[in-house]
Amino acid sequence: GDSVTQMEGPVTLSEEAFLTINCTYTATGYPSLFWYVQYPGEGLQLLLKATKADDKGSNKGFEATYRKETTSFHLEKGSVQVSDSAVYFCALTPNDYKLSFGAGTTVTVRA
Amino acid sequence: DVKVTQSSRYLVKRTGEKVFLECVQDMDHENMFWYRQDPGLGLRLIYFSYDVKMKEKGDIPEGYSVSREKKERFSLILESASTNQTSMYLCASTIKDSLYTFGSGTRLTVV
Repeated sequence: GDSVTQMEGPVTLSEEAFLTINCTYTATGYPSLFWYVQYPGEGLQLLLKATKADDKGSNKGFEATYRKETTSFHLEKGSVQVSDSAVYFCALTPNDYKLSFGAGTTVTVRA
Repeated sequence: DVKVTQSSRYLVKRTGEKVFLECVQDMDHENMFWYRQDPGLGLRLIYFSYDVKMKEKGDIPEGYSVSREKKERFSLILESASTNQTSMYLCASTIKDSLYTFGSGTRLTVV
């Protein structure tokens, strides 16, 4: 079945550091790929998405590129802030409506 | 602003109790979902519904049931709560080709 594997955390960074969270997937066909973010005490919010190969999703300084050849969708941000501290989830959906999530990566940014 | 509302933010229940978690959306979405979130496991799909009175099992339906009598409301039922059902429960809704909207979650503790 469809699955998502993302790097384990927790990840601790200093402000203005570069952030990468690796995500790889297994799916039949051509799924849509997502990154969701969960800030402390809140539900999940969509951070960015990509629906086909070579698409780049971007939002709030975060980027991820849909790489079909490596089945990857790594999340990157060039300069993190304390407010980026959150749990990040990689997810995919095939042709139906169900989302499959990775385990989540907790990111803490220190001032 | 569109919303998915979960009736309780925190719940504490006793082992063996029947527990109802309620979710209401105001977007006229067809599809609704219940996930549980556990550290290191990400979000796992319990049940989903793509129409009134319709339901489908997700990946971990054991010990749960659902009810969807009206389009806007999707209830998760723990028939006989057990301590291994202590978790964060997240409701979500979507319409085809649209984005998921998540509720803020219900943190259930079974003692």
